[in-house]
Amino acid sequence: DADVTQTPRNRITKTGKRIMLECSQTKGHDRMYWYRQDPGLGLRLIYYSFDVKDINKGEISDGYSVSRQAQAKFSLSLESAIPNQTALYFCATSEIFGDEQFFGPGTRLTVL
Amino acid sequence: GNSVTQMEGPVTLSEEAFLTINCTYTATGYPSLFWYVQYPGEGLQLLLKATKADDKGSNKGFEATYRKETTSFHLEKGSVQVSDSAVYFCALTLMRGSNYKLTFGKGTLLTVNP
Repeated sequence: DADVTQTPRNRITKTGKRIMLECSQTKGHDRMYWYRQDPGLGLRLIYYSFDVKDINKGEISDGYSVSRQAQAKFSLSLESAIPNQTALYFCATSEIFGDEQFFGPGTRLTVL
Repeated sequence: GNSVTQMEGPVTLSEEAFLTINCTYTATGYPSLFWYVQYPGEGLQLLLKATKADDKGSNKGFEATYRKETTSFHLEKGSVQVSDSAVYFCALTLMRGSNYKLTFGKGTLLTVNP
């Protein structure tokens, strides 16, 4: 089984809808991250979490919120989806900051 | 701030050709440097890394040397295969202070033809 899983893998939604993307990991890592990938822009950090009690904004957090329900689970929510949030979203984990990150397979989100 | 600049793609090569993907960085302090690879339909995975100047990271025939004097970390492979077709990302991170985060380049798409 994969160490970092994301659900759903693909989602199409409409403008204004609330949507949640979920991430689970079995690596036992405290650090978790949410990124979005857009063509030609690389990956940009949305939120990151030191542990269950510590959540921080990344470089593009506007329009997003997160919840760290447990060490193994980190969810990303779009409260009111808009078309420019159409992107590929990745969850990642690491044992410590500054070290290798392990990525999930991604969620392709389309907002119409 | 910290930044990574890598050569724009796409790069198209024939099997067994030599590959170089250039990567240069700007950072305050002494970063760790990484190359990640993203195969079609998958998430990113670490290809190799180097944590200090003159270190050479290597994996699966790929190599990159941390060059502090030129602030570079170019990726090379002597003989590419069709299975190397993927997007390659150069990235850096700093361990000190709040500069923990992984800063990525924009990615370079490599296509290897038989």
